[in-house]
Amino acid sequence: DQQVKQNSPSLSVQEGRISILNCDYTNSMFDYFLWYKKYPAEGPTFLISISSIKDKNEDGRFTVFLNKSAKHLSLHIVPSQPGDSAVYFCAAWAGNMLTFGGGTRLMVKP
Amino acid sequence: DVKVTQSSRYLVKRTGEKVFLECVQDMDHENMFWYRQDPGLGLRLIYFSYDVKMKEKGDIPEGYSVSREKKERFSLILESASTNQTSMYLCASTPPAGSYEQYFGPGTRLTVT
Repeated sequence: DQQVKQNSPSLSVQEGRISILNCDYTNSMFDYFLWYKKYPAEGPTFLISISSIKDKNEDGRFTVFLNKSAKHLSLHIVPSQPGDSAVYFCAAWAGNMLTFGGGTRLMVKP
Repeated sequence: DVKVTQSSRYLVKRTGEKVFLECVQDMDHENMFWYRQDPGLGLRLIYFSYDVKMKEKGDIPEGYSVSREKKERFSLILESASTNQTSMYLCASTPPAGSYEQYFGPGTRLTVT
């Protein structure tokens, strides 16, 4: 049973608009959350993170929101750019293990 | 700048062969991880190691083993490769406790025929 789920396998957005990627989790022991971006034939690269004691973290065009009561986090990209087209993974730490979601493929159209 | 390297980008092996995937990190990181990535399933943890000669099973260890003889090197071994082990294999490392970010290598695309 997947403890971290990304229910949208793909998302298409127009350049300049907002991209919202969602992630749900079930394990209440998760205490730190991360978003990774992955291009084809490359390893994932870290994008942004948030501690479970916060509800928002912002870094430039990227903002992560955490709703602990709903066990839900989201990544907002504003404005979206064609270079943002990639697969995005959310991930969550509990103890020594990092658990990943299935990924969402974002396509930003010019 | 942290660097995690993997011995091969692409590998083709036959069913039943023994396969070694090597991973090296150059930042003296304590923890190292092996994942496989499959479409729709994300990254699934195979094994991890938090010290030399230490190893822990992840979510899907069956059919795999690991070796960590030196701190900078973590090897994944497929004792007898099977077609369902065709996948992208990713190695990652993390600094000691207090840092949450994992640094990934470029991945090895393994095809078992």
